[in-house]
Amino acid sequence: KNQVEQSPQSLIILEGKNCTLQCNYTVSPFSNLRWYKQDTGRGPVSLTIMTFSENTKSNGRYTATLDADTKQSSLHITASQLSDSASYICVVSEGAGGSYIPTFGRGTSLIVHP
Amino acid sequence: DAMVIQNPRYQVTQFGKPVTLSCSQTLNHNVMYWYQQKSSQAPKLLFHYYDKDFNNEADTPDNFQSRRPNTSFCFLDIRSPGLGDAAMYLCATSRDTPSDTQYFGPGTRLTVL
Repeated sequence: KNQVEQSPQSLIILEGKNCTLQCNYTVSPFSNLRWYKQDTGRGPVSLTIMTFSENTKSNGRYTATLDADTKQSSLHITASQLSDSASYICVVSEGAGGSYIPTFGRGTSLIVHP
Repeated sequence: DAMVIQNPRYQVTQFGKPVTLSCSQTLNHNVMYWYQQKSSQAPKLLFHYYDKDFNNEADTPDNFQSRRPNTSFCFLDIRSPGLGDAAMYLCATSRDTPSDTQYFGPGTRLTVL
């Protein structure tokens, strides 16, 4: 069964600090991995997408990495801001030969304090 | 600029009283999805449409139905809401396949009294 595990479940940091969120997956066949940001009471918004051949992707202060061999990904947030407080969800999609249906992780809840 | 619109944003219904949630998109995407998300949990896919082809997840209760009358609109019908159906319902679209980027609406928060 496809699974996406995220850690930590929640994280509290001070404004200006960096942090790294982790994602491990067992989805096969692999197509791509996305990180979404979900603000409280809102729908998720895509931050980055990586395919099998990509091992890093940046979007402003967000940098995602992918190790397809170990099936791990991380999302690094640099110089955190109060507006970064949200849930960050790792989503992995099946590829050719699979259903293409994405598998969602439960998310990491990030709180940035002033 | 709104791309995926959900109405209403908040819905209150009574136990057992049917309710319909609506979703519309201006992206002209082929695929539309309905997710159920409960507090601190991942969104759970209920069903999705490839154009007009309906795909039901195996564990989606029969209490949940969906309609897609055209490319732009999709509806979620809950025939007899129970207390356990209280959740955020998210509509999403993607261009051609579920592995494409999904664009989510703001969600409808359903409360069942």
